[in-house]
Amino acid sequence: GDSVTQMEGPVTLSEEAFLTINCTYTATGYPSLFWYVQYPGEGLQLLLKATKADDKGSNKGFEATYRKETTSFHLEKGSVQVSDSAVYFCALGSGNTPLVFGKGTRLSVIA
Amino acid sequence: EADIYQTPRYLVIGTGKKITLECSQTMGHDKMYWYQQDPGMELHLIHYSYGVNSTEKGDLSSESTVSRIRTEHFPLTLESARPSHTSQYLCASNPTDGGTDTQYFGPGTRLTVL
Repeated sequence: GDSVTQMEGPVTLSEEAFLTINCTYTATGYPSLFWYVQYPGEGLQLLLKATKADDKGSNKGFEATYRKETTSFHLEKGSVQVSDSAVYFCALGSGNTPLVFGKGTRLSVIA
Repeated sequence: EADIYQTPRYLVIGTGKKITLECSQTMGHDKMYWYQQDPGMELHLIHYSYGVNSTEKGDLSSESTVSRIRTEHFPLTLESARPSHTSQYLCASNPTDGGTDTQYFGPGTRLTVL
């Protein structure tokens, strides 16, 4: 079945550092890909998404490109802030089935 | 802005009690979901519904039950709470096209069973 693998955390960075969180997927069809973020004490919220190959999703300085050839959707940000500290989830959606989530990566940004 | 609500936000209860976690959304979404979230963050789908009078079990076996009598309401019930049910429970919804549409999450209910 469909699956998502994302890098394990925790990831600890200094403010203004470059961030990459790796995400790869396995899917039989042509899924849509998502990054969700969960801030402490809250539910998940959509950060960005891409619905077809080579699409780039972007929001709040975060970017991810749907790479069909490497089955990847890595999350990047050029300069992280303390306020970006959260848990990040990669997910895929295909057809009429529930989203498949990765296990989450905790990011801590220190001043 | 997501209009999906969960109550209570926090609940501490004794073993053997019956509890119902409430979830409501005002977006008219057909699809709704319940997830159980580990302390280690991983999400486990325990129930979902694709419309009124439709419910399905998710990937993780759960002793809880759900009902979907109205589109906007998807409550989760535990008949007899146990310490192993201690967890964070997240409700979510999305429009009919589940594969590509954004899934909106509520703020969660943190349940502690003593």
